[in-house]
Amino acid sequence: NAGVMQNPRHLVRRRGQEARLRCSPMKGHSHVYWYRQLPEEGLKFMVYLQKENIIDESGMPKERFSAEFPKEGPSILRIQQVVRGDSAAYFCASSPGERETQYFGPGTRLLVL
Amino acid sequence: AQKVTQAQTEISVVEKEDVTLDCVYETRDTTYYLFWYKQPPSGELVFLIRRNSFDEQNEISGRYSWNFQKSTSSFNFTITASQVVDSAVYFCALAAFTGGGNKLTFGTGTQLKVEL
Repeated sequence: NAGVMQNPRHLVRRRGQEARLRCSPMKGHSHVYWYRQLPEEGLKFMVYLQKENIIDESGMPKERFSAEFPKEGPSILRIQQVVRGDSAAYFCASSPGERETQYFGPGTRLLVL
Repeated sequence: AQKVTQAQTEISVVEKEDVTLDCVYETRDTTYYLFWYKQPPSGELVFLIRRNSFDEQNEISGRYSWNFQKSTSSFNFTITASQVVDSAVYFCALAAFTGGGNKLTFGTGTQLKVEL
């Protein structure tokens, strides 16, 4: 049973470009979470999605960041007009239900030049 | 609001020593889950354990053991006879269920270095 998959594993963008991070949950998991790990900081919750719905986006920055989890295909975290402060590791997690254990993907390391 | 405190930023031990990683949490919820995750140098996050707030029974899994005490709001993690492969950052996390969903609140992590 494949785990949570994230791609790309590493992403380099110049300031002002767009970054798209993809997450495919574990088979049978319909709940997806995104977390960000900034240098020297712990992991911070960003957004929680179920298929076609955003359930909780209380951790998302108000501007430039958006997330979706379409009926078909992976979940996407999109960052528009990236700035150097967006450089971080972005982790996706999935769970089979609302109160179930979250299993994490390997993360995407975003570097903004 | 939820809060998790891991006061130990970094711990260094010699192989075969026992080591305990501390975790203290705060929540007003009566129903919650506590977790430990491991982040090895390769960077992925590996799930280790989940405990719910109604089960204070300690757990042992091989060289790993966990001590959950509601009276002190602590969920400490002990590695017995540590090995070099245990070197990693360990995160304690809390999930409460206010408003739906179970987003995790993480501590800042404890970097464990096990040396020969």
